[in-house]
Order: sequence, then structure tokens, then C-alpha cells
Amino acid sequence: GNSVTQMEGPVTLSEEAFLTINCTYTATGYPSLFWYVQYPGEGLQLLLKATKADDKGSNKGFEATYRKETTSFHLEKGSVQVSDSAVYFCALSDPTSGTYKYIFGTGTRLKVLA
Amino acid sequence: GAGVSQSPSNKVTEKGKDVELRCDPISGHTALYWYRQSLGQGLEFLIYFQGNSAPDKSGLPSDRFSAERTGGSVSTLTIQRTQQEDSAVYLCASSLAAGGQYEQYFGPGTRLTVT
Repeated sequence: GNSVTQMEGPVTLSEEAFLTINCTYTATGYPSLFWYVQYPGEGLQLLLKATKADDKGSNKGFEATYRKETTSFHLEKGSVQVSDSAVYFCALSDPTSGTYKYIFGTGTRLKVLA
Repeated sequence: GAGVSQSPSNKVTEKGKDVELRCDPISGHTALYWYRQSLGQGLEFLIYFQGNSAPDKSGLPSDRFSAERTGGSVSTLTIQRTQQEDSAVYLCASSLAAGGQYEQYFGPGTRLTVT
């Protein structure tokens, strides 16, 4: 079945460091891919998305490219801030069920130190 | 505009009691999803509603769980005879329609604690 594998956390970085959070997927068909962020005490918010191969999603300095050849959608940011501390979830929208329900990775906690 | 709202935000209940969780989706969104976020299982799909179509209940963990969506808008998730393993955050999401190009918008969740 479809699945998402995300790197284990927590990830601890100093402010202005480069961030990569790895995400790979297994899917039948052509899923859309998403990164959601959950700030402390808040709900899930869409960070960025890509709906087809080679698409690049970007928002708030974060980027991720839909790589069909490596079945990956790694999240990157060139210079993290303390305010980026949160849990990040990679997800795919399952096209095979007709519902387009999300299949989520386990989440990666990011802590950015000043 | 208004986002997805859920109530209550927190619910503590005794084992064996029934609970009802409510979701108000974004106006005009035809697709509605329920997910569960728990420490052991991560984020998992529970049930999906789309318009007047039959719901997809494939993610419901047991027959103690049920949900309905009235008038294509508000949804209620009911858990009967709650067990301690039901303790989790229950998330509701809605999207304009079901399709890969439509992102889901999540509510703040209901934290359920079964004692």
C-alpha cells in the first residue's frame, strides 16, 4: 500500500543553519505531496505542496521538489529561525482510493536554538 | 474567513462512556475527513465524507466508532464505550473537493482523554 517515510527526529539546529528533512514515499498512481507544520499548541497548517513530478513547492523560505525518480519530497530551508521550531509532517494524497485521504509520515520535530 | 472549527477542544471521560466530537468545516467545502493523532500510531485516517455519497469508513478502528455528516456540513464523530486506547487528538479537515490539487484544511482538534 501507499506509505510515507520521514526521517526520525528530533532535529536540533542553531539559528541560520541549513535545514533538510527527508521524506520518501511509496505510491500507486500519481499522488500529490504536502508538507504540513504543527507549531506548539496549534493545529496542522499547510506549508507547501506539489501536485506533479518536478514541481517545486515553496513558502516562507521552505522548499521541496517532487522527485518521481527517487520518490522523494525533501524539505529544505537555507536559514532557519527560532520561530521555525515545530513538528513537520510529510503527507501524500492517496489517489487510488477516490477519497484522496492523506497518508502521513511520523513527523519530525525541529528545535532551533538562538 | 472562518476556518474549520471543532468542539470541544478537550474532553475527559471515563472508560465505558460514550462521547461525541463535532466538526464544522469551511463553508462550501464538500469533502470532510476525520483523522486521529496518537503517540503510538501517528496521524491516521478514520473516515471521509463527500457530498451525498456514501462515506468511506475504511479507517475506523472498531465498530464502536461511527460518524455522520448532516446536510453536507457539520459532522459528528461518536465513540461508544470508550477505552483507554481511544485517548488521542481527533482532527477534522475539509477541502473544496476530493482531488490531489485540493489541500485539506485542519481544525484545531479535540483532545480526548479516557480515564
